[in-house]
Amino acid sequence: GAGVSQSPSNKVTEKGKDVELRCDPISGHTALYWYRQSLGQGLEFLIYFQGNSAPDKSGLPSDRFSAERTGGSVSTLTIQRTQQEDSAVYLCASSVKPSGRSDTQYFGPGTRLTVL
Amino acid sequence: AQSVTQLGSHVSVSEGALVLLRCNYSSSVPPYLFWYVQYPNQGLQLLLKYTSAATLVKGINGFEAEFKKSETSFHLTKPSAHMSDAAEYFCAVAGANSKLTFGKGITLSVRP
Repeated sequence: GAGVSQSPSNKVTEKGKDVELRCDPISGHTALYWYRQSLGQGLEFLIYFQGNSAPDKSGLPSDRFSAERTGGSVSTLTIQRTQQEDSAVYLCASSVKPSGRSDTQYFGPGTRLTVL
Repeated sequence: AQSVTQLGSHVSVSEGALVLLRCNYSSSVPPYLFWYVQYPNQGLQLLLKYTSAATLVKGINGFEAEFKKSETSFHLTKPSAHMSDAAEYFCAVAGANSKLTFGKGITLSVRP
């Protein structure tokens, strides 16, 4: 079956613009995660969605970052007023359900964001 | 809280040589540990995971890892490196809500 897909694969934007990054999880997966991969900080957790529960936003670096998940499937990560330090690869992952901390997360190919 | 330490950023081995990538963890609860591989311009792919069953875990592509509680380690090994193993390798520990805390990653180069 299809894996996790993300779009766009690359995004170049100017400082101060807003951007939206999209993630389509594996069908039937109820848990969805966003991570950021940057040269300086490595791989960092951003936000987690599980079903209809309130999302875990504990990893979002500032209030310029927000995310939503519509219908328990597709998710959009929005970055407002982008800054150069937002340049990174944004990875989305999904898992079947959080039966425990042993669940395998399946990752998408990522969106490479460059802020000029 | 959880954390992962991967010492060194780059390992180079000859084709056919043993691969050893080190990972040490810190966890306030019994750990669930993962190794992921990332090929250039791709997402992360799971190699193997430790979930408190067997301490020696076998994964894909001939990789295995041994959980050693006394050493708080989960080192990744492969007896014989292939050119196709060249990639970046990440060790991770799962925390609350299964969110992963990753190490800095190690780039593996394989010399012909």
